[in-house]
Amino acid sequence: GENVEQHPSTLSVQEGDSAVIKCTYSDSASNYFPWYKQELGKRPQLIIDIRSNVGEKKDQRIAVTLNKTAKHFSLHITETQPEDSAVYFCAAISNRDDKIIFGKGTRLHILP
Amino acid sequence: DVKVTQSSRYLVKRTGEKVFLECVQDMDHENMFWYRQDPGLGLRLIYFSYDVKMKEKGDIPEGYSVSREKKERFSLILESASTNQTSMYLCASNGQKYSPLHFGNGTRLTVT
Repeated sequence: GENVEQHPSTLSVQEGDSAVIKCTYSDSASNYFPWYKQELGKRPQLIIDIRSNVGEKKDQRIAVTLNKTAKHFSLHITETQPEDSAVYFCAAISNRDDKIIFGKGTRLHILP
Repeated sequence: DVKVTQSSRYLVKRTGEKVFLECVQDMDHENMFWYRQDPGLGLRLIYFSYDVKMKEKGDIPEGYSVSREKKERFSLILESASTNQTSMYLCASNGQKYSPLHFGNGTRLTVT
């Protein structure tokens, strides 16, 4: 089945700097890659997603890139703000079995 | 706005008890999922369902079962609760395979 690896587990960046979180997946049949943000004490919520027929997608300060050959996708947050502090999860969905498999999460700290 | 409601926010049960975690969604979603969330392990898929009376095993189904008698309700059952099932349990739903997951607030289960 699908396996999603996420790095780093913890990331601290100065407010205003950029943050990058990386994920790799194992199943070449995976074709949809969402990212979820979970603030402390709250439920995870989708922030951006990308399908396998697209290499990059951007939404204001957030962007996701996908390298299908390397089975690698990344979340980029620019001009980070205090409200970006949260746990971020990447996920992958495979055509093979329809499971939505998550990475282990990255705790992002935005330093003042 | 989609609402996914989990019946209990906090639950304390004894080892060996049968435990029912209930989840209801109000958007006529076809797909429902149960995850458990543990520090450092991310969100792990226990079971999911794509239709009434249909269920599929996730990555960690051992010790759990599910029931989906009605489209809006997906129940997670711990047949004989054990201490290693102490965790945060998250229910989620979506209407289509590649649409955002909507999560409930979670049930924090403690088994003593």
